[in-house]
Amino acid sequence: EAGVTQSPTHLIKTRGQQATLRCSPISGHTSVYWYQQALGLGLQFLLWYDEGEERNRGNFPPRFSGRQFPNYSSELNVNALELEDSALYLCASRPRDSYEQYFGPGTRLTVT
Amino acid sequence: AQKVTQAQTEISVVEKEDVTLDCVYETRDTTYYLFWYKQPPSGELVFLIRRNSFDEQNEISGRYSWNFQKSTSSFNFTITASQVVDSAVYFCALSEADAGGTSYGKLTFGQGTILTVHP
Repeated sequence: EAGVTQSPTHLIKTRGQQATLRCSPISGHTSVYWYQQALGLGLQFLLWYDEGEERNRGNFPPRFSGRQFPNYSSELNVNALELEDSALYLCASRPRDSYEQYFGPGTRLTVT
Repeated sequence: AQKVTQAQTEISVVEKEDVTLDCVYETRDTTYYLFWYKQPPSGELVFLIRRNSFDEQNEISGRYSWNFQKSTSSFNFTITASQVVDSAVYFCALSEADAGGTSYGKLTFGQGTILTVHP
C-alpha cells in the first residue's frame, strides 16, 4: 500500500512569492493534516481537512491556506512568503475510523 | 491548552544500552490520545504507538516499551538493547478528543529528543 506522498520534495522561492505544496493521502484516508517543522520551533499544527472541509486551523496567519479535493488530496498555499516560512512542511493522513496520523516525507521550502 | 514536554533534548548511548525517553503532558480533557513518532534522518515521521487516556496498560513491542501513568501525566518510551538504527528524533504527541472519544485531530508535539546510538 502506497504511503502519503508529497510534492515537490524541495521548493525554493523568493520573499513575497507564493508557494503551493501538494499532498496525496493513503488510499481510503479521508482526513489530511498539514504541519510546519521550522528549525528550533518543533512541529506546529497548520490545518486539518476532512471530507473537503477545513476542520481546524493552527495559529498561523491567513496567508497560509489550503483545500482538499474530492479525491481527498490536498494543497497548501502560502502567499506573500516571508523568510521565516522556510521549513519542512509535513502532510499526514488518517482513516475515518482511526486516530493515527501517517506522515509523508515532507516538502522542504526555502525562502530567500 | 494542551502541552507536551520532552525535557531531554539529546541523548547519546552506546549500542546495547537501554534508554528511556521522557514525555510529560498537560491537558484539561479527560479523553485524549498519546502518540510516539520516530523521525529518522530521511525526515518522514514514523508512527510507533497510540495510547488512549482510559487505557493505562503498558505496552511492549519487541525492544520497545511504553509506560503510561496518568497520575504523573507521563508517557515514557524505553528502547531495550539499543541499536544504531534507533538513532533518530523521537516525538511524543497529544490529541484531545470530545466526550464521545472523537479526536479533534490536531496533534500537539513535544520538542523532540535526539537519540544517537553509537556502535
